Amino acid sequence: VLTQSPATLPLSPGERATLSCGASQPVSSSYVAWYQQKPGLAPRLLIHDASSRATGIPGRFTGSKSGTNFTLTISALEPEDFAVYYCQQYGSTPFTFGGGTKVEI
Amino acid sequence: QVRLVQSGAEVKKPGSSVKVSCKASGGSFGNYGIYWVRQAPGQGLEWIGGIVPIIGRPYYAQKLQGRVTILADESTTTAYMELNSLTSDDTAVYYCARGPVPGEISSWFDPWGQGTLVTVSS
Repeated sequence: VLTQSPATLPLSPGERATLSCGASQPVSSSYVAWYQQKPGLAPRLLIHDASSRATGIPGRFTGSKSGTNFTLTISALEPEDFAVYYCQQYGSTPFTFGGGTKVEI
Repeated sequence: QVRLVQSGAEVKKPGSSVKVSCKASGGSFGNYGIYWVRQAPGQGLEWIGGIVPIIGRPYYAQKLQGRVTILADESTTTAYMELNSLTSDDTAVYYCARGPVPGEISSWFDPWGQGTLVTVSS
């Protein structure tokens, strides 16, 4: 089970966002991804393998891991970053998703 | 650049079945995992299952085991997800996605299809 916190994160453009994802047990090989989803659109990959930025993703997005806790940090929010963010583990089936964190203005 | 294009929206009666297709273009098909994820209205993402076509063994979420079938046709580079005995709880947008790691079921999902809305209503 992946538990994301907070469920909602109210921030302003330019501020730093820190999103957490806790796993109930160790995730094989740090196989955790982060996705961004905007209304009406499919999710978009941001981070894979806990800390590897996907192609074309800006450097303000950073993924990290500490034990069974994973963090997505957005260093300085741009207007287009206000969206819902999901973590996912793909180390073992079922490939579960967290419940999501909505970053709102 | 791999692109996934899904079939159109469906409206189904309770108890019936739905089959959603996902056509891949622009890259190799058989070596890479194809996954299905759904999202009920206003809810989060739920993994349905996946398959690496060249290996052929599908993996399913336990919750849907027995009702879902995932197939891949290498000749047409198309994957399918069929869900039987539909109820209103199956109303959702269904997404396909591809894994970029060859030969591996354990992979992140990129890219994604555009989504297919399946509505179950009497």
